[in-house]
Amino acid sequence: KAGVTQTPRYLIKTRGQQVTLSCSPISGHRSVSWYQQTPGQGLQFLFEYFSETQRNKGNFPGRFSGRQFSNSRSEMNVSTLELGDSALYLCASSLVQDEKLFFGSGTQLSVL
Amino acid sequence: SQQGEEDPQALSIQEGENATMNCSYKTSINNLQWYRQNSGRGLVHLILIRSNEREKHSGRLRVTLDTSKKSSSLLITASRAADTASYFCATDAAGANSKLTFGKGITLSVRP
Repeated sequence: KAGVTQTPRYLIKTRGQQVTLSCSPISGHRSVSWYQQTPGQGLQFLFEYFSETQRNKGNFPGRFSGRQFSNSRSEMNVSTLELGDSALYLCASSLVQDEKLFFGSGTQLSVL
Repeated sequence: SQQGEEDPQALSIQEGENATMNCSYKTSINNLQWYRQNSGRGLVHLILIRSNEREKHSGRLRVTLDTSKKSSSLLITASRAADTASYFCATDAAGANSKLTFGKGITLSVRP
């Protein structure tokens, strides 16, 4: 079974631009969660989707948004990028909510 | 905010020694999980312990949970250089639609 796939692996953007990150969960997994990881803050929860519905949202500004498609694939979007958005963005899928998470390798976003 | 806090922040041991890492949390939980992350990659699930369990084993890993003290420990026995990584505890707070919240992690270095 293929693991969680995140694309792209690396991304360089400039301030003010927007970015879309993609995540394909493990086949059969309907729950997808997104996390932001930075050296100072550790892993911060962004949002969780289940069957195309956002079930939970972390404490991030409205510039951060996401969605899930009918095939469980998910995207997250960050608009008006700021330098502080530079981070490793991790997507994880699970069969059952709040059970074992399977993580992708992440998208390393650098904002210049 | 971080629900789980790991202790110590960094640990350096010799190959063959045991490594003990601790996690404390604030609110009641459904389960507590431990993950491992190699540099710049996604997290890998190690073990899940439910709130009604006190101890679990998986290979060289032993996890304990003390809900009265709101704490957990992860013991890696007979450590190997390949165990060098960051280790995170994650808690699933009790209640509907809770999210998995991660601590900031422990950096373990195993010297060959």
